Amino acid sequence: DAKTTQPPSMDCAEGRAANLPCNHSTISGNEYVYWYRQIHSQGPQYIIHGLKNNETNEMASLIITEDRKSSTLILPHATLRDTAVYYCIVVRDTGKLIFGQGTTLQVKP
Amino acid sequence: EAGVTQFPSHSVIEKGQTVTLRCDPISGHDNLYWYRRVMGKEIKFLLHFVKESKQDESGMPNNRFLAERTGGTYSTLKVQPAELEDSGVYFCASSQDWLAGGRLEFFGPGTRLTVL
Repeated sequence: DAKTTQPPSMDCAEGRAANLPCNHSTISGNEYVYWYRQIHSQGPQYIIHGLKNNETNEMASLIITEDRKSSTLILPHATLRDTAVYYCIVVRDTGKLIFGQGTTLQVKP
Repeated sequence: EAGVTQFPSHSVIEKGQTVTLRCDPISGHDNLYWYRRVMGKEIKFLLHFVKESKQDESGMPNNRFLAERTGGTYSTLKVQPAELEDSGVYFCASSQDWLAGGRLEFFGPGTRLTVL
């Protein structure tokens, strides 16, 4: 499974959009991009995933570049409860989730 | 609908003792996964069940760890004998089969294991 690179930490003002980048330059054609987050010590929580098209759900939007070598997770209106570690993971259908260090997002009042 | 549940939430044991962790997946989910996070490290995959069969156990650290899923419902992860380095949080996740649009894994709250 392809490796991903994320910044270790980011800050965001409450109510503003949080844009979390992820590089996955070695992604294969059959690998999906997944985003999970872990709030404090809870179990990881699924956020969104995509293959090549941009995706949006009630939690976030996922923007994948045309060459699929990078993506951005967008939380449109960050709240304090969005403070968490965000993981970008690329995985194929039979693959296992490989968690890296992720990005620690701190939402500030 | 109930999510993935894990029992116990916390366990404190002494080195050399045995501990059994339990995971109840979401009803209807054939896929069940075990992960763990040891102190200061990343979340690591341990193994994957499809129904009662072990699909991938490449992440199991050694033969002190035994996972079972009899009947394809709940799963147990036994550590015998426990060592200090086994301390950490053990997560269980479940998912339906891979669909055309991907596979979503739903995680439980974890079991925090402390080996003294």
